[in-house]
Amino acid sequence: NAGVTQTPKFQVLKTGQSMTLQCAQDMNHEYMSWYRQDPGMGLRLIHYSVGAGITDQGEVPNGYNVSRSTTEDFPLRLLSAAPSQTSVYFCASSYGTGGGYEQYFGPGTRLTVT
Amino acid sequence: AQSVTQLGSHVSVSEGALVLLRCNYSSSVPPYLFWYVQYPNQGLQLLLKYTSAATLVKGINGFEAEFKKSETSFHLTKPSAHMSDAAEYFCAVRGLKGSYQLTFGKGTKLSVIP
Repeated sequence: NAGVTQTPKFQVLKTGQSMTLQCAQDMNHEYMSWYRQDPGMGLRLIHYSVGAGITDQGEVPNGYNVSRSTTEDFPLRLLSAAPSQTSVYFCASSYGTGGGYEQYFGPGTRLTVT
Repeated sequence: AQSVTQLGSHVSVSEGALVLLRCNYSSSVPPYLFWYVQYPNQGLQLLLKYTSAATLVKGINGFEAEFKKSETSFHLTKPSAHMSDAAEYFCAVRGLKGSYQLTFGKGTKLSVIP
């Protein structure tokens, strides 16, 4: 199993540009989520999904969109990048109830918005 | 609401000394608790988890944590620090009953002095 994969590893955007961060998992997990990590702030939940076709907002959803058309994939879209979105983004997945709720993390995408 | 407080954003210990990283939680439901470790430029890796079985939980790399309901604590310990333990450590609590979400603390960066 590859686990949770994320692409790209690094990205530089100009203010106003849009892009999609890719996330995929091959563990048939029903739950997937996106976090951003900023120094001293821990991990903050952006959006999450409890299954294909079902998504919901987390703590910091503004400026981001998600969709989940398959169990495996959960892309995160930045609609119009802003310097405040400079961060490290992590995707995670979980079995949910049957797996004790532990989440498996991808390696992260480091995004810089200039 | 669920919340996690990690005391000390930065902890330094000498190689061979006891490691103690503190975590207190607030939860309105029986908690599931987790400790994750993040090495530089990597994703988060599960160290251990408490899921209402034994109150003393053993994890990877010689770490363990004790769940104390009366103190609402889940502190992480290791008897003897190694240089390879230098990393950032995050405590997390499961969300409300039926929720797959985890709420993370802000992290504690552990430095090991030779």
